[in-house]
Amino acid sequence: GEDVEQSLFLSVREGDSSVINCTYTDSSSTYLYWYKQEPGAGLQLLTYIFSNMDMKQDQRLTVLLNKKDKHLSLRIADTQTGDSAIYFCAELVLAGNMLTFGGGTRLMVKP
Amino acid sequence: DAGVTQSPTHLIKTRGQHVTLRCSPISGHKSVSWYQQVLGQGPQFIFQYYEKEERGRGNFPDRFSARQFPNYSSELNVNALLLGDSALYLCASSRIRDRAAYEQYFGPGTRLTVT
Repeated sequence: GEDVEQSLFLSVREGDSSVINCTYTDSSSTYLYWYKQEPGAGLQLLTYIFSNMDMKQDQRLTVLLNKKDKHLSLRIADTQTGDSAIYFCAELVLAGNMLTFGGGTRLMVKP
Repeated sequence: DAGVTQSPTHLIKTRGQHVTLRCSPISGHKSVSWYQQVLGQGPQFIFQYYEKEERGRGNFPDRFSARQFPNYSSELNVNALLLGDSALYLCASSRIRDRAAYEQYFGPGTRLTVT
C-alpha cells in the first residue's frame, strides 16, 4: 500500500474552513509538505513543516503535525473558490532524497 | 526570476519509440528530480541528480534514464515506450541536496501520451 494516505474528496462552502488530512508511515521523515495542483498544471509548494515542529501557520494556512499518530493536516481558513484544486501531502525520505506523495485530496469549494 | 521550465509541454508517441524530456531548474538550484504522475494518482519519484551525478533512483525499469548537464539542466529519456508510460512528467529543482533538499519547486510538466 501507499506510504502516504489521504482521503479522496472534500467539499466545503466558500468562507468556511477546510481541513485536509494525511497519514504517513516513515518514522524517519524530516520534512512534510503540502502541494496544490490545479487542472493541467504542475505542483505548487504551499507550505512545509519540519518534523520537530507541531504547528506552522502561514497566512490562511495552518499545518498541524502529530508525530505520535503520524498524522498531518492542512487547514485553509476562509476558503475561496480559487482554492478548488487537488492537494497533495508528501514526506521527504532522506534515503534517496525523494518526496513520497499521497494520492491527493480533491477540494471543491461551492459558492 | 523564472521558475522551473520544461519542454515540450505535450508529446504524443507510439509504442516502442523513444522520448527525451527536458528541464531547466531555477537559477541557482543545482539539484533536479524527476517524477511521473499517472492520471488520478500522486507523483512517483524516478530520479534525482545533483552536480551531474545520480543521487537517487526510484522503482522504475532501466528503460528510464536521465542525465544532468554542466548548466544543471536535465534530460529524462525513456526507451521502448509502453502504453503505461502515458503520464505527466514533472521536474523539480532544489537548492541543496544534503541535509534535505527541503524546498522542491516543480515545473508545469510534460504530458506524454503513448498510443
